[in-house]
Amino acid sequence: NAGVTQTPKFRILKIGQSMTLQCAQDMNHNYMYWYRQDPGMGLKLIYYSVGAGITDKGEVPNGYNVSRSTTEDFPLRLELAAPSQTSVYFCASSEGSYTGELFFGEGSRLTVL
Amino acid sequence: AQSVAQPEDQVNVAEGNPLTVKCTYSVSGNPYLFWYVQYPNRGLQFLLKYITGDNLVKGSYGFEAEFNKSQTSFHLKKPSALVSDSALYFCAARGGATNKLIFGTGTLLAVQP
Repeated sequence: NAGVTQTPKFRILKIGQSMTLQCAQDMNHNYMYWYRQDPGMGLKLIYYSVGAGITDKGEVPNGYNVSRSTTEDFPLRLELAAPSQTSVYFCASSEGSYTGELFFGEGSRLTVL
Repeated sequence: AQSVAQPEDQVNVAEGNPLTVKCTYSVSGNPYLFWYVQYPNRGLQFLLKYITGDNLVKGSYGFEAEFNKSQTSFHLKKPSALVSDSALYFCAARGGATNKLIFGTGTLLAVQP
């Protein structure tokens, strides 16, 4: 039972480069989320999705894009990497209700130099 | 706007003693409240949640939390701390009919042998 799988686990980017963080879940959850975690700042919601074809902005969406073409996958795209995007990124999923807990991936550590 | 506050960056407790990790929230409508734990270099794991009903909620690993509506608090507790409880703890909240789960900044729990 894989749960939520994120790739890559680590990545170093140069300023201005682009990349995609992959996220896949095998629990048939409708809801998926991307958070970033910075020291002392907790987790900030970047984007979320309530189902295939539906996405919405969270607290800190600038500099990121997402798509949700299938229930299983929710990739996060960084178009022009900046040092401020150095962070640990977590993907999560939940059942389609306000009361459902989130299931998190192991995280992707991104450094932009 | 929704917010979650964890007033203590770190809580130190001796093994065997009771522990409390504090959390207060501000949301619109009925609150849905969660606690998560994060071990080093891992994703967050769900501990417990309050949706409705009994104000004392029991969760994983002997943890419990008390919902106090008048004080808008949801403190995490455990009667007897273990060294293995040492980790980063996050409180999170959703309010009313919203899909966004907002996290606090986290509290590092250090249990000394």
